[in-house]
Amino acid sequence: EIVLTQSPGTLSLSPGERATLSCRASQSVSSSYLAWYQQKPGQAPRLLIYGASSRATGIPDRFSGSGSGTDFTLTISRLEPEDFAVYYCQQYGSSRPWTFGQGTKVEIK
Amino acid sequence: QVQLVESGGGLVKPGGSLRLSCAASGFTFSDYYMSWIRQAPGKGLEWVSYISSSGSTIYYADSVKGRFTISRDNAKNSLYLQMNSLRAEDTAVYYCARRWVSEFDYWGQGTLVTVSS
Repeated sequence: EIVLTQSPGTLSLSPGERATLSCRASQSVSSSYLAWYQQKPGQAPRLLIYGASSRATGIPDRFSGSGSGTDFTLTISRLEPEDFAVYYCQQYGSSRPWTFGQGTKVEIK
Repeated sequence: QVQLVESGGGLVKPGGSLRLSCAASGFTFSDYYMSWIRQAPGKGLEWVSYISSSGSTIYYADSVKGRFTISRDNAKNSLYLQMNSLRAEDTAVYYCARRWVSEFDYWGQGTLVTVSS
C-alpha cells in the first residue's frame, strides 16, 4: 500500500502570502495518478489538481501542482480569504486503488 | 449540472445494517465509474469502495471487505452501499463521488452514519 504523508500538518499564513504544501509517497506514484483536493468545514472535498499539475475546471490559476516520483507539491501563489481550508493529496494505484494523505490545514495567521 | 445526492444515513447500533443511496443527475450515469469515500468526524478521507460503469468490476477497502456491498442501478441513475455488521469505527460522513481518470471530480454533500449503542 502506498502511504501519502503531507506536510506541514498546519500552515499559518496571511492573505496574500504564498503557500507551499508537500505530499510525499512511500513508493513512486505515476504523475498521472496524483490529485489534490480542497475541503472547507461542512463541505465535500473539491478537486483542484489532477495528473499532478493540471487544474480542474474552474480552479483559479493561483493554484498549481508539481512534482514526480515520490514528491509532489501544491502551491497557492497568493492566498485569498477563501483559500483557508484543508488540502488533501490522493493517489491511485493498482494494488489498493485509492489512498489519501492525512491533510494540511491552511489557517489564517 | 452534475449533482450527486446521498441519503440513507442515520443512527444504528453496532452489528446493525444500513443502506446508503446516491442519486445522480446532470450526466450520463452509466458512462462513469463511481466510488464511496468516507470521513470520520474530525479525520481525513478514506476510500471505501469502487464500482465500474457496468458494475462488473468492484473493489473494497480492507476495512469494509466482507461487510459492505456496493451496487448500482443505471436505469435509476443510482448508486448504493449496503453496510452490514456495522462497527463504531464505521461512524463517518459517507460521500459518493464520480471517478474522472484516477481522481474524483464531483462529490455529493455526504450523509452521516453514526454507529452507537
